[in-house]
Amino acid sequence: LAKTTQPISMDSYEGQEVNITCSHNNIATNDYITWYQQFPSQGPRFIIQGYKTKVTNEVASLFIPADRKSSTLSLPRVSLSDTAVYYCLVGDEGGKLIFGQGTELSVKP
Amino acid sequence: KAGVTQTPRYLIKTRGQQVTLSCSPISGHRSVSWYQQTPGQGLQFLFEYFSETQRNKGNFPGRFSGRQFSNSRSEMNVSTLELGDSALYLCASSSGQQKETQYFGPGTRLLVL
Repeated sequence: LAKTTQPISMDSYEGQEVNITCSHNNIATNDYITWYQQFPSQGPRFIIQGYKTKVTNEVASLFIPADRKSSTLSLPRVSLSDTAVYYCLVGDEGGKLIFGQGTELSVKP
Repeated sequence: KAGVTQTPRYLIKTRGQQVTLSCSPISGHRSVSWYQQTPGQGLQFLFEYFSETQRNKGNFPGRFSGRQFSNSRSEMNVSTLELGDSALYLCASSSGQQKETQYFGPGTRLLVL
């Protein structure tokens, strides 16, 4: 499974766009990239998943360059409720997800 | 569809006891995975069950075991509890097909005294 590297923490203000970049240099050809959001004492919540180029849903966008060695989660106009830990995951070995330390996003008023 | 449910949500045990946690996956999902989350170790994979069979296993001692029933519900058991077993235990369900997204439950907070 490919290892991922993310910033440990990020600060933002309400209404701003937040971009969290994840590096995954050893991504395999058929690996998908998945992002989860986790609030304290809750289970991770699926945000978005992609394979290449750009994916957008109602909460976020995911940008993946052609070499797929990194990906960027984009959260438009964040609010205080977006304060959480965000995990980037790559690969899935038969139900086994490998979580890194994640990025702790703090949104301030 | 109802989400993944876990019971109980909170549990307090003492060292040496055993505990059983339960997870009901999303209807139609056949795979259930279990994770342990602690401040020091983060989220760690315990094991995965698919169609009543353990399909994948993490690096936890044999005190941690699980099973899955024919209706896909899963239980996790921890015997001879240690203080270090205090954690948030999460289960996640998916269809079981490769690359399918896993959806997590709210977790069971276990405190071992």
